[in-house]
Amino acid sequence: NAGVTQTPKFRVLKTGQSMTLLCAQDMNHEYMYWYRQDPGMGLRLIHYSVGEGTTAKGEVPDGYNVSRLKKQNFLLGLESAAPSQTSVYFCASSSFYGGLTNYGYTFGSGTRLTVV
Amino acid sequence: KNEVEQSPQNLTAQEGEFITINCSYSVGISALHWLQQHPGGGIVSLFMLSSGKKKHGRLIATINIQEKHSSLHITASHPRDSAVYICATKGSDKLIFGTGTRLQVFP
Repeated sequence: NAGVTQTPKFRVLKTGQSMTLLCAQDMNHEYMYWYRQDPGMGLRLIHYSVGEGTTAKGEVPDGYNVSRLKKQNFLLGLESAAPSQTSVYFCASSSFYGGLTNYGYTFGSGTRLTVV
Repeated sequence: KNEVEQSPQNLTAQEGEFITINCSYSVGISALHWLQQHPGGGIVSLFMLSSGKKKHGRLIATINIQEKHSSLHITASHPRDSAVYICATKGSDKLIFGTGTRLQVFP
């Protein structure tokens, strides 16, 4: 079982460049999430999706866009990268919103993004 | 004040010691998660609990809803337990994460 797969694992971007982070899950989970993790701060929700074709804003959505065209995939896009978007990005999925099951969340392994 | 506070921020222990990590929260919740983040960065969900106590191997998680407090205990700690432990509370609509407790267990 692959669980949640994130690609790429590392990326360096120049300010103003664009990129897409891909998250794929094979557990048939309805809910998917994108978080960013910064030093000294807890994980913060960027965007989330409650099902195929739906997306919603989280705490820190500015500068990011997302799409969920297929149930198993959740894409995070940066249209014009800024140094403030240097972070580690985690994708997660769950069968209920907020992971309110005994199984909680399943996380991807993270993408370390540096914007110079 | 953060809605979810963890203590301590950093913890070192000798192999075999009993470890306690605390999580206090200020909002009403329906559940609380404990997560483990490995040195390589991967995050694993350890427990989700809404009352009482849960045990998995050497890990024990407790929660006191009235006191808005949860603890994660590790018995007979081992160097492979070295990781960042994160608690997260489930409120009405979203998870709120603590900043984590970095645990290092030395042989």
